Amino acid sequence: GIQVEQSPPDLILQEGANSTLRCNFSDSVNNLQWFHQNPWGQLINLFYIPSGTKQNGRLSATTVATERYSLLYISSSQTTDSGVYFCADMNNNAGNMLTFGGGTRLMVKP
Amino acid sequence: DTAVSQTPKYLVTQMGNDKSIKCEQNLGHDTMYWYKQDSKKFLKIMFSYNNKELIINETVPNRFSPKSPDKAHLNLHINSLELGDSAVYFCASSTLSRGEQYFGPGTRLTVT
Repeated sequence: GIQVEQSPPDLILQEGANSTLRCNFSDSVNNLQWFHQNPWGQLINLFYIPSGTKQNGRLSATTVATERYSLLYISSSQTTDSGVYFCADMNNNAGNMLTFGGGTRLMVKP
Repeated sequence: DTAVSQTPKYLVTQMGNDKSIKCEQNLGHDTMYWYKQDSKKFLKIMFSYNNKELIINETVPNRFSPKSPDKAHLNLHINSLELGDSAVYFCASSTLSRGEQYFGPGTRLTVT
């Protein structure tokens, strides 16, 4: 099945800073999603982005399917951005099951 | 107006017991899933189910079984619980055609 690698594994930012999180895939990208797991454990959908670029407020994401990677941009970070960011893609197998990366643990300091 | 809900939120039980976690979605989706998140936060698929087909991740022990009374529900039954089953279990749903998945709040299972 597909392998998903995320970088960096850990990131500490000062409030107001910008950052870029990366996701690399071992196989073709099908239905890529980005999630934020907040400190309370909730998995929140950020983007559904099989290809192209999308923006939502201070967050944006770009997927380059031909090169098998996706980027998540966080601008003007806030303490509420803290948590773990996951990317995931659907296996080519039946069942639409998502394979997740190991996550990027982000801490934004005031 | 919760989209995907799970009960209970916390479950503490002893080794050897049998337990169930319930999941319901009101999004009108036709496919539901169970994922397991371990202590290192790694998320792994367990099952994918729609009204026609159950797909089981080959690494899941047969002590785990999903049961779906209807399209809006997919419950997880676990027999003979072991210490290693302690984790957070997430339910999710999507449409088979689009595939974008929405997750429930998770159930933290602790086996003592």
